[in-house]
Amino acid sequence: TQLLEQSPQFLSIQEGENLTVYCNSSSVFSSLQWYRQEPGEGPVLLVTVVTGGEVKKLKRLTFQFGDARKDSSLHITAAQPGDTGLYLCAGGHNNNDMRFGAGTRLTVKP
Amino acid sequence: NAGVTQTPKFQVLKTGQSMTLQCAQDMNHNSMYWYRQDPGMGLRLIYYSASEGTTDKGEVPNGYNVSRLNKREFSLRLESAAPSQTSVYFCASSQLAGRSYEQYFGPGTRLTVT
Repeated sequence: TQLLEQSPQFLSIQEGENLTVYCNSSSVFSSLQWYRQEPGEGPVLLVTVVTGGEVKKLKRLTFQFGDARKDSSLHITAAQPGDTGLYLCAGGHNNNDMRFGAGTRLTVKP
Repeated sequence: NAGVTQTPKFQVLKTGQSMTLQCAQDMNHNSMYWYRQDPGMGLRLIYYSASEGTTDKGEVPNGYNVSRLNKREFSLRLESAAPSQTSVYFCASSQLAGRSYEQYFGPGTRLTVT
């Protein structure tokens, strides 16, 4: 079983729709990160959240860290084809214990 | 500024063969990592190096060895490849940013063991 469970596993939507993907765990984390990975490339860091209840915005992406620091969500407003990719969450406490979820594979159709 | 580079990009090995995956970073980061990525499993840490001259096992170290050659370079060696080591391998380096470590990944090495 994964330490971090991401849902849904796959998501296919039309351009302009809104969506939310989730990252859940039974463990408490000091920090939680979201990455986006495109085919044939390595993951790229989008955001880090460290405080329970914290909300961060990155253009049309909104990230929230749960109050108990066990879960997180990523909301995308008005999705675009350029948002297509694998979204990974990772949680940990220091520089050698980050654990990754299996990811949500998002496809945004024009 | 190339970030994190990895070679080779693709490799096919026969069972029992050995090979070394190379990784280099030009961001002056102290910490470096090797992960493998398998479908449905996410990224799993194989080995990491907190600083030049030190290495430690991660979540799935069996069948692998590493060398932190200097601050820039961190290599991963498969002494006797097995089909279970078919995977995509990513090298990463990190820096402390505020209260957490931000990781920067290379483009990956796609390894197939037949």
